[in-house]
Amino acid sequence: NAGVTQTPKFRVLKTGQSMTLLCAQDMNHEYMYWYRQDPGMGLRLIHYSVGEGTTAKGEVPDGYNVSRLKKQNFLLGLESAAPSQTSVYFCASSRGPPVTRHYEQYFGPGTRLTVT
Amino acid sequence: ELKVEQNPLFLSMQEGKNYTIYCNYSTTSDRLYWYRQDPGKSLESLFVLLSNGAVKQEGRLMASLDTKARLSTLHITAAVHDLSATYFCAVGDSNYQLIWGAGTKLIIKP
Repeated sequence: NAGVTQTPKFRVLKTGQSMTLLCAQDMNHEYMYWYRQDPGMGLRLIHYSVGEGTTAKGEVPDGYNVSRLKKQNFLLGLESAAPSQTSVYFCASSRGPPVTRHYEQYFGPGTRLTVT
Repeated sequence: ELKVEQNPLFLSMQEGKNYTIYCNYSTTSDRLYWYRQDPGKSLESLFVLLSNGAVKQEGRLMASLDTKARLSTLHITAAVHDLSATYFCAVGDSNYQLIWGAGTKLIIKP
């Protein structure tokens, strides 16, 4: 099993450009998440999905959109990139929610995005 | 609003020494996770602590949870260089979200 994969691994954008980050998981997980990681701030949840065709906002959703058309894929879009979106983006998946049960999240390798 | 605080944020120690990382959180929760991140790498799950008094150990790492004090600890025994990494705790905020601490960067010197 590949687990959770992310494409691309690195990207440099100019302000105002758009891009889509792809996350794929082969563990048949229902839940998927997009996080951003900035120095000294831990992980912050951008959007998440509890199943195919569903998405919801996390802690820092502004400037991002997501789609989950297939259970195994979760896409993160930046419509008009800004320097403040320079970060490392991690995708994660889990069998179920992290609170009512104890399903741990499995993380992808990350995408390092720089917006100039 | 749930807040998660870790301390220290940076720790440099010698091999063979013992030390403890602390994770405090602000509201009731009985699901606490510890993750490890190596430099430039992804995050790897270490422990899931499910109830008050829970203790889990793997190798030189031991994690515990005190839900009444809203405190979890990650104890390192006789540290070795391979344990150098950033350690994160995360606490469940709702059914779907984890709130993460800022991480503790641990450097273990030979």
